[in-house]
Amino acid sequence: DQQVKQNSPSLSVQEGRISILNCDYTNSMFDYFLWYKKYPAEGPTFLISISSIKDKNEDGRFTVFLNKSAKHLSLHIVPSQPGDSAVYFCAAMPSGSARQLTFGSGTQLTVLP
Amino acid sequence: NAGVTQTPKFQVLKTGQSMTLQCAQDMNHEYMSWYRQDPGMGLRLIHYSVGAGITDQGEVPNGYNVSRSTTEDFPLRLLSAAPSQTSVYFCASRLTGNQPQHFGDGTRLSIL
Repeated sequence: DQQVKQNSPSLSVQEGRISILNCDYTNSMFDYFLWYKKYPAEGPTFLISISSIKDKNEDGRFTVFLNKSAKHLSLHIVPSQPGDSAVYFCAAMPSGSARQLTFGSGTQLTVLP
Repeated sequence: NAGVTQTPKFQVLKTGQSMTLQCAQDMNHEYMSWYRQDPGMGLRLIHYSVGAGITDQGEVPNGYNVSRSTTEDFPLRLLSAAPSQTSVYFCASRLTGNQPQHFGDGTRLSIL
């Protein structure tokens, strides 16, 4: 039973346009959400996060939106650049002392020049 | 600053062999974790540690052992390799449970 789901395995976007990556979760105990970016042959790198007490967090071209009632979050990249082409993983962490991450299956973003 | 270092980068084993995947971090992080990444399944937690001498099981612990004798090192042992353990393994660390994880570059393991 996947508690964090990324239903789109891949997404292609034209350079300069907006990329929107989606993520759904089922566990109500999750209270902290993160996005990681992964290039081939490298480990994932942290991109942006959001706490459940917020509904939006921005960092430069990257914005994460959280809709708690729908158990849905999204990552917006504006404007998209060819260097953004990578696999993006959504991850969630529950409240409490353990706080281990549960990852989605990832979305391969390709930004076309 | 090396961050999280994993060795080896690649390894091929025969079924039944044992081996240890090494992970070291130089950031004085308390929390360390091992994940495996399989196609279409994201990263799944194998074992984790919240400090030296403390380890616990994650989502997919069977067939793996860990120990944490120092803050810096968190080796993952495959006891008797099986083809189902063919995967890419990532080690990660973080200072506290409230911070994002730093990942190593992974070990690609093939079991024949």
